[in-house]
Amino acid sequence: DAGVTQSPTHLIKTRGQQVTLRCSPISGHKSVSWYQQVLGQGPQFIFQYYEKEERGRGNFPDRFSARQFPNYSSELNVNALLLGDSALYLCASSGREAPYEQYFGPGTRLTVT
Amino acid sequence: AQSVTQPDIHITVSEGASLELRCNYSYGATPYLFWYVQSPGQGLQLLLKYFSGDTLVQGIKGFEAEFKRSQSSFNLRKPSVHWSDAAEYFCAVGAGDKLVFGAGTILRVKS
Repeated sequence: DAGVTQSPTHLIKTRGQQVTLRCSPISGHKSVSWYQQVLGQGPQFIFQYYEKEERGRGNFPDRFSARQFPNYSSELNVNALLLGDSALYLCASSGREAPYEQYFGPGTRLTVT
Repeated sequence: AQSVTQPDIHITVSEGASLELRCNYSYGATPYLFWYVQSPGQGLQLLLKYFSGDTLVQGIKGFEAEFKRSQSSFNLRKPSVHWSDAAEYFCAVGAGDKLVFGAGTILRVKS
């Protein structure tokens, strides 16, 4: 079975630009969560979506937004990029039976210059 | 607030030696606890989880962890480390709609 997939793998953006990251969950999983991992730190929670509705939001500015589509895939958008947004962005999916049991994708490495 | 502490930033062990990585958590209710492993530039792989029941849980790749409520700990162990175990290990607690992670422990394996 396919795991969580994310695209793109890497991207480089300039300060002030906008970026969209994409995630497809494991088949059958209806919940998607987004995490930011800055180099040398553990992942930090950004958003969780379940059945297309936002279920939780971490301590991130309004420049960060997300949505979930009818097929349960998800996009994370970041506007007005700052140098500090450079990080590995991880997507995780989970099933209704075990919402905490999250399975992670390979991540998208975002570099802001 | 929920938090996870991994006291050791780096640990170096010899191949074939035993391993214990420490994790302490702060959470008001009965915790859901996890250990993940991350190889350089990769995503996180779930090693094992504790939800309830037996406090000694077995995971993949020969890892196990023991939940000790009195010590608020969930330490990861492996009896004999292989060179391929070199990676970064994260302990996490399920809190509300999210996972709260520790800062990670980097494991180095020397031959």
